[in-house]
Order: sequence, then C-alpha cells, then structure tokens
Amino acid sequence: ETGVTQTPRHLVMGMTNKKSLKCEQHLGHNAMYWYKQSAKKPLELMFVYSLEERVENNSVPSRFSPECPNSSHLFLHLHTLQPEDSALYLCASSQALRMWEQYFGPGTRLTVT
Amino acid sequence: QKEVEQDPGPLSVPEGAIVSLNCTYSNSAFQYFMWYRQYSRKGPELLMYTYSSGNKEDGRFTAQVDKSSKYISLFIRDSQPSDSATYLCAMEGETGANSKLTFGKGITLSVRP
Repeated sequence: ETGVTQTPRHLVMGMTNKKSLKCEQHLGHNAMYWYKQSAKKPLELMFVYSLEERVENNSVPSRFSPECPNSSHLFLHLHTLQPEDSALYLCASSQALRMWEQYFGPGTRLTVT
Repeated sequence: QKEVEQDPGPLSVPEGAIVSLNCTYSNSAFQYFMWYRQYSRKGPELLMYTYSSGNKEDGRFTAQVDKSSKYISLFIRDSQPSDSATYLCAMEGETGANSKLTFGKGITLSVRP
C-alpha cells in the first residue's frame, strides 16, 4: 500500500448504529487529520493529531470520536449520527512542521439513513 | 466576508485552452497557498504550493500569488480532458498547534475534447 488509505470506501448506517472509519498512512508522516466534505461547502477540518496528540477539535459534535493509536493510524468512531452527517469523510496526513503539505486519502462516502 | 472565496463555476473549456482559476482571501496572515485537484470519487491531490508572493511553475501548471491584492491564481496551459476535475485552493498561515488549512469551495473544470 502507498499513500493514504481509508476503509471502508462506502458506508450506509442507520441513526442508531455505531461504526468506525479507518485511515492508514504509509508516508512516514507524524500528523493526521479528519475532514468532512459536503456538497457546495469548503472542506471542514474536524480533528488534528500531531505527534499522536489531539491538537484541534473544531467544535465537532460528540457523536464523532477520533482515535489515533500511533502516527500511522487514525480512526473516526461514529454513533447516533444524523442524516445531515451524510458526507465524504477524508483523512489526510503531513509532517507536523509542514502542515501546508497534506496528502489525502480517497475518502469514505457515508450515508446516514 | 468569507476567509477564502472561490468562484464555484462550473467552468467548461475546449481542449488546448488556457485556464485561469482564482481565489481571493481576507486573512493577511496566510503565508502558504496551495492548489489541490480532486477527481470524481477521489480525495484531493496536492498539485502545487507557494510560499508568500510570487510565481511557481510545474509543467503546464503555474501558480501565482499576489499578497498585496489577496489574490491567487492557477493557470493551466494546453488544457487536456484529463485536467477535468474539481480544483480547490487552500491557505495556511498559523504555525505550530494552531496551524490548519482553510479551503475554498472548489471549482469544477471540464475540458471538452
């Protein structure tokens, strides 16, 4: 595997389900990010982990819970989501001191029914 | 005023045309200026980044930054159908723990054969 990978690529879940999104980077980076991409809106930064510590929680609802067990892996745990949470969820990584140079994964297309 | 404004398009041009994509911004603290390309059903891909004002060229792509006007551009010469994608501008100015990218909404480009 190369670059940034995300699984699953597509996810349909009910409002009462619990699911997790996974991201793995193979670039030797030490900062990882979760973004939400909705139609007609700019990319929204959700969480930032730098050197495995969370440094940004951009007023994200608690139904989204991130986890970063090491510098190569990032998870986004989802529970009791709302239909408006349906979006493309993107993971990215960078070197901690080069945050302007981020590399993105292909995203997980999430649909909440 | 939004921090980053990008004409939402869409934009359609014939093959071989010169394409000009633009963003304006309001935050004078921005120092790094990025252009990402996003193909359908894929994550954004970093095309180029520029530090401060000036031009940067990479093959058929040229990025320009005019900090005095708070205006950035991406020029694509000899456009090809494979350039058809959504182009996102992004900017970053803080350093350390507060560093984050601010994105435009993106413009969808279609290059007609």
